[in-house]
Amino acid sequence: QQQVKQSPQSLIVQKGGISIINCAYENTAFDYFPWYQQFPGKGPALLIAIRPDVSEKKEGRFTISFNKSAKQFSLHIMDSQPGDSATYFCAATFTGGGNKLTFGTGTQLKVEL
Amino acid sequence: DTGVSQDPRHKITKRGQNVTFRCDPISEHNRLYWYRQTLGQGPEFLTYFQNEAQLEKSRLLSDRFSAERPKGSFSTLEIQRTEQGDSAMYLCASSLGGTLSGANVLTFGAGSRLTVL
Repeated sequence: QQQVKQSPQSLIVQKGGISIINCAYENTAFDYFPWYQQFPGKGPALLIAIRPDVSEKKEGRFTISFNKSAKQFSLHIMDSQPGDSATYFCAATFTGGGNKLTFGTGTQLKVEL
Repeated sequence: DTGVSQDPRHKITKRGQNVTFRCDPISEHNRLYWYRQTLGQGPEFLTYFQNEAQLEKSRLLSDRFSAERPKGSFSTLEIQRTEQGDSAMYLCASSLGGTLSGANVLTFGAGSRLTVL
């Protein structure tokens, strides 16, 4: 049972545009939602994270929007740059779960010049 | 602190052979995790340790897989009698653990890629 569903599978955005990746979760016990960025040949690296007590979190060009009632959250990358080209994973975990992350299937982002 | 280190980075083996991967976590991190990632998929949880205690194992971790963290520092993941379906990237991650802010941030290593012929 896939507990975190992610879309789209791939995304092409023009330089300067907005990249939007969506995730939906099923387990209402989840209380921590990070996004990870992975470059080829590297491990995933934490990009930004949110807890369900806020609806939005912004760090630089990266924003998470969170809708608790819909059990959905999304990553927005403003002013997308070629250096943002990578695979992005949403994830979720819950307090008391050993910080064990459940990942989405990933979105391969390509930012074109 | 050089982050999470994994060795070897690449391993090619023949079906039926045993392989062992090593992970050195960030030194002050109490928790250590193993994940498996196949092409085009997100990482899947395998097991995790709190210090030297193995607290949880996924159903993905068959009897051929064993993980240890003998002194609560580095960890090894051994796969016995490898099968072609074991071909994947094996990722190690570590975290502080606990309830303090930032304690639940997992820092991943670059992974060990296994190819079973």
